[in-house]
Amino acid sequence: QKEVEQDPGPLSVPEGAIVSLNCTYSNSAFQYFMWYRQYSRKGPELLMYTYSSGNKEDGRFTAQVDKSSKYISLFIRDSQPSDSATYLCAMSAGGGNKLTFGTGTQLKVEL
Amino acid sequence: GAVVSQHPSWVICKSGTSVKIECRSLDFQATTMFWYRQFPKQSLMLMATSNEGSKATYEQGVEKDKFLINHASLTLSTLTVTSAHPEDSSFYICSETHTSTDTQYFGPGTRLTVL
Repeated sequence: QKEVEQDPGPLSVPEGAIVSLNCTYSNSAFQYFMWYRQYSRKGPELLMYTYSSGNKEDGRFTAQVDKSSKYISLFIRDSQPSDSATYLCAMSAGGGNKLTFGTGTQLKVEL
Repeated sequence: GAVVSQHPSWVICKSGTSVKIECRSLDFQATTMFWYRQFPKQSLMLMATSNEGSKATYEQGVEKDKFLINHASLTLSTLTVTSAHPEDSSFYICSETHTSTDTQYFGPGTRLTVL
Protein backbone atom coordinates (compact mmCIF):
# COMPACT_ATOMS: atom_id res chain seq x y z
CA GLN A 1 0.00 0.00 0.00
CA LYS A 2 1.31 3.43 -0.92
CA GLU A 3 1.76 6.03 1.80
CA VAL A 4 -0.39 8.46 -0.15
CA GLU A 5 -3.22 7.39 -2.43
CA GLN A 6 -4.69 9.67 -5.07
CA ASP A 7 -7.05 8.83 -7.91
CA PRO A 8 -5.17 9.59 -11.15
CA GLY A 9 -8.33 10.41 -13.08
CA PRO A 10 -8.72 11.80 -15.64
CA LEU A 11 -11.54 13.86 -14.24
CA SER A 12 -13.58 15.84 -16.75
CA VAL A 13 -16.06 18.50 -15.63
CA PRO A 14 -18.01 21.31 -17.32
CA GLU A 15 -17.00 24.89 -16.81
CA GLY A 16 -18.49 26.34 -13.63
CA ALA A 17 -18.67 23.01 -11.82
CA ILE A 18 -17.39 22.42 -8.30
CA VAL A 19 -14.42 20.07 -8.37
CA SER A 20 -13.47 17.83 -5.48
CA LEU A 21 -10.00 16.29 -5.40
CA ASN A 22 -8.92 13.94 -2.63
CA CYS A 23 -6.04 12.06 -1.13
CA THR A 24 -5.81 9.50 1.62
CA TYR A 25 -2.69 8.67 3.57
CA SER A 26 -1.49 6.12 6.06
CA ASN A 27 1.31 7.88 7.97
CA SER A 28 -0.13 9.47 11.11
CA ALA A 29 3.06 11.55 11.50
CA PHE A 30 2.13 13.78 8.56
CA GLN A 31 1.29 17.27 9.77
CA TYR A 32 1.91 19.52 6.77
CA PHE A 33 -0.37 19.17 3.76
CA MET A 34 -0.01 20.83 0.38
CA TRP A 35 -1.72 20.93 -2.95
CA TYR A 36 0.26 21.65 -6.10
CA ARG A 37 -0.97 22.37 -9.59
CA GLN A 38 1.14 21.24 -12.50
CA TYR A 39 0.56 22.25 -16.07
CA SER A 40 1.99 20.10 -18.82
CA ARG A 41 5.77 20.45 -19.14
CA LYS A 42 5.97 22.85 -16.19
CA GLY A 43 7.14 22.58 -12.59
CA PRO A 44 4.51 22.16 -9.83
CA GLU A 45 3.05 25.38 -8.43
CA LEU A 46 2.07 25.56 -4.76
CA LEU A 47 -1.66 26.21 -4.47
CA MET A 48 -2.56 25.57 -0.87
CA TYR A 49 -0.74 24.81 2.34
CA THR A 50 -2.35 23.57 5.55
CA TYR A 51 -0.88 22.67 8.88
CA SER A 52 -2.69 19.96 10.85
CA SER A 53 -6.46 19.60 10.61
CA GLY A 54 -8.93 22.20 9.43
CA ASN A 55 -10.01 24.22 6.45
CA LYS A 56 -8.28 26.91 4.48
CA GLU A 57 -9.80 29.05 1.76
CA ASP A 58 -8.08 31.11 -0.92
CA GLY A 59 -10.29 32.54 -3.61
CA ARG A 60 -11.97 29.71 -5.48
CA PHE A 61 -9.87 27.09 -3.69
CA THR A 62 -10.62 25.42 -0.36
CA ALA A 63 -8.35 22.86 1.27
CA GLN A 64 -9.61 20.54 3.99
CA VAL A 65 -7.64 18.23 6.22
CA ASP A 66 -9.20 15.55 8.40
CA LYS A 67 -6.37 13.94 10.32
CA SER A 68 -8.68 11.57 12.17
CA SER A 69 -9.68 10.02 8.85
CA LYS A 70 -6.29 10.61 7.19
CA TYR A 71 -8.08 12.33 4.35
CA ILE A 72 -7.43 15.62 2.59
CA SER A 73 -9.44 17.43 -0.04
CA LEU A 74 -9.14 20.31 -2.44
CA PHE A 75 -12.31 21.99 -3.70
CA ILE A 76 -12.35 24.26 -6.72
CA ARG A 77 -15.43 26.44 -7.13
CA ASP A 78 -16.59 27.89 -10.43
CA SER A 79 -14.03 25.84 -12.31
CA GLN A 80 -12.47 27.38 -15.41
CA PRO A 81 -10.78 25.84 -18.45
CA SER A 82 -7.54 27.37 -17.14
CA ASP A 83 -7.85 25.06 -14.12
CA SER A 84 -7.17 22.11 -16.43
CA ALA A 85 -3.98 20.62 -15.06
CA THR A 86 -2.67 17.83 -12.87
CA TYR A 87 -3.21 18.36 -9.15
CA LEU A 88 -0.75 16.77 -6.76
CA CYS A 89 -1.25 16.38 -3.05
CA ALA A 90 1.86 16.34 -0.90
CA MET A 91 2.53 15.97 2.79
CA SER A 92 5.32 15.78 5.31
CA ALA A 93 5.94 15.16 8.96
CA GLY A 94 7.74 18.46 9.34
CA GLY A 95 11.23 19.34 10.44
CA GLY A 96 12.46 19.69 6.90
CA ASN A 97 11.40 16.16 6.06
CA LYS A 98 10.91 15.09 2.49
CA LEU A 99 7.54 15.53 0.88
CA THR A 100 5.52 12.47 0.01
CA PHE A 101 3.46 13.02 -3.13
CA GLY A 102 0.30 11.50 -4.46
CA THR A 103 0.35 10.31 -8.03
CA GLY A 104 -1.61 13.37 -9.18
CA THR A 105 -5.15 13.76 -10.56
CA GLN A 106 -5.51 15.00 -14.11
CA LEU A 107 -8.37 17.50 -14.33
CA LYS A 108 -9.97 18.78 -17.50
CA VAL A 109 -12.51 21.60 -17.38
CA GLU A 110 -14.47 21.76 -20.59
CA LEU A 111 -16.28 24.70 -22.13
CA GLY B 1 6.73 35.51 -8.57
CA ALA B 2 9.05 32.60 -9.13
CA VAL B 3 11.47 31.82 -6.35
CA VAL B 4 13.40 29.08 -8.14
CA SER B 5 14.84 29.15 -11.64
CA GLN B 6 16.33 26.36 -13.70
CA HIS B 7 18.61 26.41 -16.69
CA PRO B 8 18.37 25.19 -19.33
CA SER B 9 14.63 24.68 -19.76
CA TRP B 10 15.29 21.97 -22.31
CA VAL B 11 18.33 20.20 -23.66
CA ILE B 12 18.99 17.58 -26.30
CA CYS B 13 22.26 15.69 -26.18
CA LYS B 14 23.94 12.69 -27.71
CA SER B 15 24.27 9.44 -25.82
CA GLY B 16 27.47 9.32 -23.78
CA THR B 17 27.74 13.04 -23.16
CA SER B 18 27.25 14.84 -19.85
CA VAL B 19 24.65 17.48 -19.16
CA LYS B 20 24.61 20.02 -16.34
CA ILE B 21 21.37 21.50 -15.02
CA GLU B 22 21.41 24.55 -12.77
CA CYS B 23 18.90 25.32 -10.04
CA ARG B 24 18.99 28.80 -8.60
CA SER B 25 17.18 30.27 -5.61
CA LEU B 26 15.91 33.76 -6.49
CA ASP B 27 14.24 35.02 -3.32
CA PHE B 28 15.71 33.01 -0.54
CA GLN B 29 18.99 31.48 0.35
CA ALA B 30 18.06 27.84 0.22
CA THR B 31 20.33 25.70 2.31
CA THR B 32 18.37 22.65 1.19
CA MET B 33 17.30 21.87 -2.33
CA PHE B 34 15.72 18.75 -3.74
CA TRP B 35 16.12 17.16 -7.16
CA TYR B 36 13.26 15.22 -8.73
CA ARG B 37 12.73 13.30 -11.91
CA GLN B 38 9.35 12.95 -13.56
CA PHE B 39 8.44 10.59 -16.39
CA PRO B 40 5.39 11.31 -18.59
CA LYS B 41 2.08 10.95 -16.77
CA GLN B 42 3.83 9.96 -13.56
CA SER B 43 4.37 11.73 -10.28
CA LEU B 44 7.58 13.27 -9.03
CA MET B 45 10.33 10.90 -7.95
CA LEU B 46 12.80 12.30 -5.45
CA MET B 47 16.37 11.69 -6.56
CA ALA B 48 18.42 13.46 -3.91
CA THR B 49 18.56 16.10 -1.23
CA SER B 50 21.18 18.75 -1.74
CA ASN B 51 22.59 20.66 1.20
CA GLU B 52 24.84 23.68 0.84
CA GLY B 53 28.45 22.84 1.57
CA SER B 54 27.96 19.12 2.06
CA LYS B 55 27.49 15.96 0.05
CA ALA B 56 24.07 15.25 -1.37
CA THR B 57 21.90 12.51 0.08
CA TYR B 58 20.67 10.17 -2.62
CA GLU B 59 17.49 8.13 -2.59
CA GLN B 60 17.68 4.40 -2.86
CA GLY B 61 18.26 3.25 -6.42
CA VAL B 62 19.69 6.56 -7.64
CA GLU B 63 23.29 6.25 -8.83
CA LYS B 64 25.32 9.00 -7.19
CA ASP B 65 28.17 8.59 -9.67
CA LYS B 66 25.79 9.11 -12.56
CA PHE B 67 23.83 12.01 -11.12
CA LEU B 68 26.40 14.37 -9.63
CA ILE B 69 25.02 17.07 -7.39
CA ASN B 70 26.93 20.13 -6.28
CA HIS B 71 25.60 22.78 -3.91
CA ALA B 72 28.54 25.08 -3.45
CA SER B 73 26.62 28.24 -2.66
CA LEU B 74 23.40 29.11 -0.86
CA THR B 75 21.68 30.04 -4.08
CA LEU B 76 22.91 27.46 -6.57
CA SER B 77 22.69 23.71 -6.85
CA THR B 78 23.68 21.80 -9.98
CA LEU B 79 22.80 18.35 -11.24
CA THR B 80 25.11 16.76 -13.79
CA VAL B 81 23.88 13.73 -15.67
CA THR B 82 27.08 11.93 -16.64
CA SER B 83 27.38 9.64 -19.66
CA ALA B 84 23.73 10.17 -20.46
CA HIS B 85 21.73 7.42 -22.15
CA PRO B 86 18.30 7.50 -23.77
CA GLU B 87 16.71 6.05 -20.63
CA ASP B 88 17.85 9.18 -18.76
CA SER B 89 15.50 11.24 -20.90
CA SER B 90 13.07 12.78 -18.47
CA PHE B 91 11.82 15.98 -16.86
CA TYR B 92 14.16 17.08 -14.07
CA ILE B 93 12.82 19.49 -11.46
CA CYS B 94 14.48 21.09 -8.46
CA SER B 95 12.86 22.65 -5.43
CA GLU B 96 13.87 24.65 -2.43
CA THR B 97 12.43 24.17 0.99
CA HIS B 98 11.13 26.86 3.31
CA THR B 99 11.67 25.43 6.76
CA SER B 100 9.24 27.84 8.45
CA THR B 101 6.31 26.23 6.65
CA ASP B 102 7.91 22.98 5.53
CA THR B 103 6.77 23.66 1.99
CA GLN B 104 8.74 23.31 -1.20
CA TYR B 105 8.82 25.69 -4.12
CA PHE B 106 9.63 24.17 -7.46
CA GLY B 107 11.59 25.35 -10.43
CA PRO B 108 10.09 25.29 -13.93
CA GLY B 109 11.87 22.04 -14.79
CA THR B 110 14.37 20.94 -17.42
CA ARG B 111 13.39 18.55 -20.16
CA LEU B 112 16.30 16.31 -21.12
CA THR B 113 16.25 14.28 -24.30
CA VAL B 114 19.14 11.92 -24.94
CA LEU B 115 19.44 10.73 -28.50
